[in-house]
Parts: sequence; C-alpha cells; structure tokens
Amino acid sequence: DAKTTQPTSMDCAEGRAANLPCNHSTISGNEYVYWYRQIHSQGPQYIIHGLKNNETNEMASLIITEDRKSSTLILPHATLRDTAVYYCIVSNAGNQFYFGTGTSLTVIP
Amino acid sequence: EAGVVQSPRYKIIEKKQPVAFWCNPISGHNTLYWYLQNLGQGPELLIRYENEEAVDDSQLPKDRFSAERLKGVDSTLKIQPAELGDSAVYLCASSTRTGNYNEQFFGPGTRLTVL
Repeated sequence: DAKTTQPTSMDCAEGRAANLPCNHSTISGNEYVYWYRQIHSQGPQYIIHGLKNNETNEMASLIITEDRKSSTLILPHATLRDTAVYYCIVSNAGNQFYFGTGTSLTVIP
Repeated sequence: EAGVVQSPRYKIIEKKQPVAFWCNPISGHNTLYWYLQNLGQGPELLIRYENEEAVDDSQLPKDRFSAERLKGVDSTLKIQPAELGDSAVYLCASSTRTGNYNEQFFGPGTRLTVL
C-alpha cells in the first residue's frame, strides 16, 4: 500500500541535474517526506527528508510543493555513482515505511 | 560511529532447512526493523521492535518465521523450514525517534538463496 507514485525509471547525463518527482497526494499533516536510495547489493541509504519547507544538504535538495501533494528530489550534479534506485516515502513516527518500487536512475557518461 | 551490522552477508541452504540471520543495531537505537526485499521490489516490513517488544509483526509469516530481540539490542530472525520462495534479501534497520521524525538506518542485508 505505497502512499507515493514515482516514475519507474529515468536517465540523466553525467554532470547535469537529476530531478526525481514523487506524488504523495494523500499525505497527512504530520507525515514527513523521506528520500532514500539503494545502490546495487547495498541497504537503502538515507538522502534527505522534509515536512513543509524545502531542504538542502550535502547530497541533494528536496522541493516540496505548497500543498505538500508532491515533491522533487534534486541531485545538482549527477555522477556515475548516483546510479541507484531512489525511493520516496511518506511516514510519521508511528507508521511503516512503504518503499514501493522506486525510480531507477541511470546516470549516463 | 558503527552502522547496522548484519551477518551473514550471504547464505545458501536447501529447502526445508532452518536458517537464522543476526542484526546488531546502532548503539542507542531503541527501534529495530526486519525487512524482506524481493528482486526488483522495495523492502517490505516483516516486524518492528520497540526495545524488546514486537509492536508490529502483522506481516511476519508466523508459521515458519520467528524473531527475537533479547535485552532490546541484538535481534535474530529465523526461518524454519525454509521454502524456495524465501529466497530474497533480508534487511535490518534501526532508528531512534525525535517527535514524528523517524530516520531509519539500514544494514547491508543478508542475501538468502534456497535451493
């Protein structure tokens, strides 16, 4: 019962910005938006999270729409090592993480 | 700081055999999760512990799967007997909550192959 909708796959040229969209139209007021990624044969890795405001850290930026029904993860300068499956998750502390199938991002040289 | 540790990383067994996976969470994390990940799918929760208590095990197939978290630290997930369909990656994660924020830290997983 994934609460999010993501494109199945995307390509991005190396050095360019990768913009990964996510729809979460049923998000409730106390639920955070989390982004994780999973590189082949590794466990999921936390990238960033947000509640209402846009967020930026050393890995990425998260843009959340004003109505909170969608968000975009931005990798500003994609590298080959960013090739991975990216999961958008909405959850509060009492709820499960529903990962869905994520977006498979391929960074092309 | 050490991350979530899982062992073994890989396990190959024949069907009907038992198997166990071990997880050591990040120190101080009171919440521990076991996830199952099938090929091409995202992780799916099997069980969640708050300290020693299993607070959500609704997705755990209790006829063959069991888990324990003694003393609220390490945890073991067991399958007995294993079936061919149990071949998957078993992930352990841990977290400590701050209000409604709950960042989970994942281990590398155990890849199980049942022959």
